[in-house]
Amino acid sequence: DAGITQSPRHKVTETGTPVTLRCHQTENHRYMYWYRQDPGHGLRLIHYSYGVKDTDKGEVSDGYSVSRSKTEDFLLTLESATSSQTSVYFCAISPGNDEQYFGPGTRLTVT
Amino acid sequence: QQQVKQSPQSLIVQKGGISIINCAYENTAFDYFPWYQQFPGKGPALLIAIRPDVSEKKEGRFTISFNKSAKQFSLHIMDSQPGDSATYFCAASMEGSARQLTFGSGTQLTVLP
Repeated sequence: DAGITQSPRHKVTETGTPVTLRCHQTENHRYMYWYRQDPGHGLRLIHYSYGVKDTDKGEVSDGYSVSRSKTEDFLLTLESATSSQTSVYFCAISPGNDEQYFGPGTRLTVT
Repeated sequence: QQQVKQSPQSLIVQKGGISIINCAYENTAFDYFPWYQQFPGKGPALLIAIRPDVSEKKEGRFTISFNKSAKQFSLHIMDSQPGDSATYFCAASMEGSARQLTFGSGTQLTVLP
C-alpha cells in the first residue's frame, strides 16, 4: 500500500461522538486525500491537502474537517458523527504527478 | 452530479474470456483516465492509465481503449483469470485542484474457473 498506513482500521462509535482518523505516509509526497467509499457511489473525495497546513474541500466535505501539521500525517475529523457517515474511508497520496496511491482503509460504523 | 458513468455494475466471465468495462465522462477538461483494481478488504490499486492523446494503451493482459470524440473509455482484460475477480473503478482527473479523482461507481468482476 505504497507506504501508507491508516488508523484505526476499524471503529464503531455512537452518534454524536467525535472521531478522528489518521493517515500516515512514509513517501514524503506533497498531496494527500481523504475519500469515502459507499456502495453504488464509488469513491468520493472529502478533503485534500497540497502541503502542510494547506487543505481544501472536496465533493462531500460537509460534516468533516481535516488537518495537516506535518508532511507525513493527514487527519480526518468527524466533529459529531452521524449514521450517514458510516462508510469505508481511504487515504491516498500523490507525489504531484497524476498518480494516486491508496491506503488500506478504515471501516467506520456509527450506531 | 456523477461526472463519470461506469457500466456494467457486475460482470461474470468464463476463464480465458475477455472482460470489458465501459466508462463515459461529461467534462471535456478531464485529461487523465486511470483504472483501479480493488480486492475485498483492500484499498484500490492503480492498474493502468491513459491520456487523451492516445487511443489505446496496453499493459500485459490489460488494455485501455479511449474514444475522445465519444467521451468514452473502456478496460479490456484479455484471457481473464479467476485471480482477476475484483471490483474495478474507472476515474478521471484534470489540471488543477490537486488532480482530484472523480470515480465511476465500480464494476464487480467475477471470473469463473
